[in-house]
Amino acid sequence: EVQLVESGGGLVQPGGSLRLSCAASGFTFSSYNMNWVRQAPGKGLEWVSSISGGSRTIKYADSVKGRFTISRDNAKNSLYLQMNSLRAEDTAVYYCARLGSSGYDNWFDPWGQGTLVTVSS
Amino acid sequence: DIQMTQSPSSLSASVGDRVTITCRASQTINTYLNWYQQKPGKAPKVVIYGATSLQSGVPSRFSGSGSGTDFTLTISSLQPEDFATYYCQQSYSTSYTFGQGTNLEIK
Repeated sequence: EVQLVESGGGLVQPGGSLRLSCAASGFTFSSYNMNWVRQAPGKGLEWVSSISGGSRTIKYADSVKGRFTISRDNAKNSLYLQMNSLRAEDTAVYYCARLGSSGYDNWFDPWGQGTLVTVSS
Repeated sequence: DIQMTQSPSSLSASVGDRVTITCRASQTINTYLNWYQQKPGKAPKVVIYGATSLQSGVPSRFSGSGSGTDFTLTISSLQPEDFATYYCQQSYSTSYTFGQGTNLEIK
C-alpha cells in the first residue's frame, strides 16, 4: 500500500524554525517528484514546494521562497521541509503529496494525513 | 502565477441531484486540470485528472470536461458520501495553483 506519513509539526514562536518530515512507503520513492501543500485553518489549498526524484529540480511558492527549504533522502524514503523565519500566516496543516503522472498529465496522489504547524507567541 | 477561480463557492443540493461545479483559469492550460475531493479533517483525494480522466476507484457518476480556460466537474446523481469540498488545480505550470474550493452541502 502506498503511504505517506508526516511528522514534525507543532507550536513555534514567530521567527522560529521547524523541520517537517514525510516517510514514504509502498512505492519506489526515488522515481517520484514530491511536494508539500498546506492548508490554513478553514481555508483552501496552497502548493508550497516541489522536488524532483533526484533533487535536481526544486521549486517554491513565492510566499515561502528564501525561508523554506525542501530536501529528500532517497535512501531513507523520506521528504523534508525546513521552515525558518516562521510567520503567523504560515500556520496551516502541511501535507506531503506524491506527484502522479500519465503522459503529460500530473496530479497529487496520494496525500499524507497532514501535520499541523501553529506559529504563535 | 495562473489564477484558478471556482464557482459557486458553496452549493446546497439533495441526494440524487445532478450538480456541476465550474473552474476557470486565468490563461489557457490545455487540459492540465485536476479535481480533488476533501472531507472535513481528511486529506484531499483526486477524483479527475487531465480534465476528463476518472481516477481509479472513483465512481462513474463523477465526470469532468473542458479545455483551455473553462472546466466543469459534474456529479450525475449525488450520493451521501459526495458531500464535501471540491478543488480544481492546474498542472500546466509547475507553480501549481488551486481554486478556492466549492463546499457541497446537503439541502
